[in-house]
Amino acid sequence: EPEVTQTPSHQVTQMGQEVILRCVPISNHLYFYWYRQILGQKVEFLVSFYNNEISEKSEIFDDQFSVERPDGSNFTLKIRSTKLEDSAMYFCASSEGDGEKLFFGSGTQLSVL
Amino acid sequence: GDSVTQMEGPVTLSEEAFLTINCTYTATGYPSLFWYVQYPGEGLQLLLKATKADDKGSNKGFEATYRKETTSFHLEKGSVQVSDSAVYFCALNSNQAGTALIFGKGTTLSVSS
Repeated sequence: EPEVTQTPSHQVTQMGQEVILRCVPISNHLYFYWYRQILGQKVEFLVSFYNNEISEKSEIFDDQFSVERPDGSNFTLKIRSTKLEDSAMYFCASSEGDGEKLFFGSGTQLSVL
Repeated sequence: GDSVTQMEGPVTLSEEAFLTINCTYTATGYPSLFWYVQYPGEGLQLLLKATKADDKGSNKGFEATYRKETTSFHLEKGSVQVSDSAVYFCALNSNQAGTALIFGKGTTLSVSS
């Protein structure tokens, strides 16, 4: 079965540094998402992306965050200046269409020191 | 706003025991309801879903019934296996705000032989 792949699986960074989390969605999917889960808390929606633009974003997704689809296969989440509270598991997901089943990657564990 | 509440874990069972993981929701309108599962080292996978009241979603021996009167979507399995050990997430899609899923905190299930 096709799958969403995320790299790296673990990322450690210093507070204030920029990080880029990378995702390769399933090739024929058109909708892309980022979610995160802080340890012990709920999985939270960050942003959805369609047709090369953000279609929806949550309150969490402030100016420190940005997403990009730099080529036909990658979908990235950038955090410009990381804070301690950005430490979380970040999940990428993709779907074939609006309201269709989401396929998730295995996540990137981000640790901000 | 919309929200999902799951029972706290971890849930520890012996093989062949009966499983119930409670999930209740708060939503305006008529949400779709989902259970996702995350096996160790893997991404979230859709386990089952129900899109309207009284629908029963089922997959791999798991079942959940969409109960609008009690705003619940409890996950059940008659006889769990060691391979069912995973984290289970209840989620809803309000169908009013794009396809952003709202997740519960997740319940860890550990099954021993």
